[in-house]
Amino acid sequence: EIVLTQSPATLSLSLGERATLSCRASQSVNNYLAWYQQKPGQAPRLLIYDASNRATGIPARFSGSGSGTDFTLTINSLEPEDFAVYYCQQRNSWPYTFGQGTKLEIK
Amino acid sequence: EVQLVESGGGLVQPGGSLRLSCSASGFTFSSYNMHWVRQAPGKGLEYVSIINNNGGSTTYADSVKGRFTISRDNSKNTLYLQMSSLKAEDTAVYYCVRPYDFWGQGTLVTVSS
Repeated sequence: EIVLTQSPATLSLSLGERATLSCRASQSVNNYLAWYQQKPGQAPRLLIYDASNRATGIPARFSGSGSGTDFTLTINSLEPEDFAVYYCQQRNSWPYTFGQGTKLEIK
Repeated sequence: EVQLVESGGGLVQPGGSLRLSCSASGFTFSSYNMHWVRQAPGKGLEYVSIINNNGGSTTYADSVKGRFTISRDNSKNTLYLQMSSLKAEDTAVYYCVRPYDFWGQGTLVTVSS
């Protein structure tokens, strides 16, 4: 099973700042890595698929990068609605797995 | 508009059974593989099972293998998850997912005596 480790566990930033979230895989997932945003009481929302492709309707301030085992989600100029929990997920091999999440909170 | 609506959750005793349904609309259901993902209260996300578009291929997480069965009825645009021998650790919100961009609102399953 591929283990995804996200860091940091919690990130405290102010509005307008840039957020950098990391996801490291225990083995290569090629580029089959997605990022999701989840707010309390809601289902996850797909932000990025295949490491760097923005999903439909996702603002351009969200970007993904990386390959192999190391991936990054960057959120430029944080907006109030961006404060949430973010998960990475791999679909390279079964069982598909998620990271434990990074909570982005307002400083 | 794509919609996925889960139903069938509730409170069940350990060892009991439950069948979840996911009604799909707004897209050609029979063209898509479908997934079930769960989230225990206050915890992260876990893949449960996946099924291909015609129902001919299914895959399960080790934690549910032999106890859960995924199926679909393309004539009814509905995905199912039959859960048996339920354990306390199966307590979670269960999400139906059209990989990977559309998720239902989830249905809560609570396994407790």
